[in-house]
Amino acid sequence: SQTIHQWPATLVQPVGSPLSLECTVEGTSNPNLYWYRQAAGRGLQLLFYSVGIGQISSEVPQNLSASRPQDRQFILSSKKLLLSDSGFYLCAWGGRGWTSGRASYEQYFGPGTRLTVT
Amino acid sequence: GDSVTQMEGPVTLSEEAFLTINCTYTATGYPSLFWYVQYPGEGLQLLLKATKADDKGSNKGFEATYRKETTSFHLEKGSVQVSDSAVYFCALRLIQGAQKLVFGQGTRLTINP
Repeated sequence: SQTIHQWPATLVQPVGSPLSLECTVEGTSNPNLYWYRQAAGRGLQLLFYSVGIGQISSEVPQNLSASRPQDRQFILSSKKLLLSDSGFYLCAWGGRGWTSGRASYEQYFGPGTRLTVT
Repeated sequence: GDSVTQMEGPVTLSEEAFLTINCTYTATGYPSLFWYVQYPGEGLQLLLKATKADDKGSNKGFEATYRKETTSFHLEKGSVQVSDSAVYFCALRLIQGAQKLVFGQGTRLTINP
């Protein structure tokens, strides 16, 4: 079965410090990978997605970046954190399933990292 | 563009009450529809899904029917429990692009004993 890991689970960082969040997936190959941010009391905002090693698409311009050095590893980074970067960061992988005889593409989420920038 | 609109929260109910959380969508083409649930401090879990008109997704006593004519996918449960307290997200899958999901803003549900 497939599993998705994120670490760290929680992180408190000062403004201006660097950031590195890691996501790894097990039990599948060549998945689509996604980074979302959930600000307090708000919905999910797609930040980046990747369809393969080294292939990153950015959805929202900001001071964050993403990389995919290996097939099942997805990293979210920043050189200098802002207060507005605080939030709950979720990694997800995409896989294909079947419902009522029709292909269904689903996303499966990791446990998340809660980042507080102080 | 493609979008999902959920009923405003928070929603507070008593245990064993009937639940409806409304979800409507705007999409080009024929999207797949999903409900995800997020328990406090956790990631999102897929609750149920439907891929074509009139399909009914169901799981853990929750149901939602894909209504193409009204572009809706309302979540229902006949008798809620305290353990159902969570945030619920409706989502659609874009036909084009890297299989991206478009999420509604989420509805926080609290069930009181």
